[in-house]
Amino acid sequence: GQNIDQPTEMTATEGAIVQINCTYQTSGFNGLFWYQQHAGEAPTFLSYNVLDGLEEKGRFSSFLSRSKGYSYLLLKELQMKDSASYLCAVADSNYQLIWGAGTKLIIKP
Amino acid sequence: IAGITQAPTSQILAAGRRMTLRCTQDMRHNAMYWYRQDLGLGLRLIHYSNTAGTTGKGEVPDGYSVSRANTDDFPLTLASAVPSQTSVYFCASSDGLTGTDTQYFGPGTRLTVL
Repeated sequence: GQNIDQPTEMTATEGAIVQINCTYQTSGFNGLFWYQQHAGEAPTFLSYNVLDGLEEKGRFSSFLSRSKGYSYLLLKELQMKDSASYLCAVADSNYQLIWGAGTKLIIKP
Repeated sequence: IAGITQAPTSQILAAGRRMTLRCTQDMRHNAMYWYRQDLGLGLRLIHYSNTAGTTGKGEVPDGYSVSRANTDDFPLTLASAVPSQTSVYFCASSDGLTGTDTQYFGPGTRLTVL
């Protein structure tokens, strides 16, 4: 079966750095997405990785290792507005997105 | 402002009733999707459409139907609602050109079936 694993919840302090991990087992791989979802709102796109390595975009970076079936989202200089759920999704061999259940990130002052 | 709209925002429905959730996008995207989101589970694909006039089944299509008469609209119909269809429903769209285009989501419809 296809499976995406992420921690259910994480807590971090404002101004700090946090790393949210995602491991996957899917039938085929055509890229990995990270989305942000604030409570009661729609998911919004953060990043896309298809090749191994680190992609940096401002305070957010995303890393991919295809051989390990592993990705992480790194958030630097955390702000209170970063409190949200972070969703990992993999495009499988049919280009359909398989979604993890999301990681709820709680930022404390 | 370009984007995706969904209606209604929320709905309480008696079991056995028919319900259509509406979704409209003005980005001229080829592909559209319907997902449901339940607590503790990832988004699950119900149906999708790669282009106007075509539709396909996702992971959890039973009890739902869709149509894609034009580029902009992608309604989702529950023919006879059951309590297990209580969920938050998100419509999304993408360019659909490469298969890994970014998906843009509507604000969602919160549906409760009693």
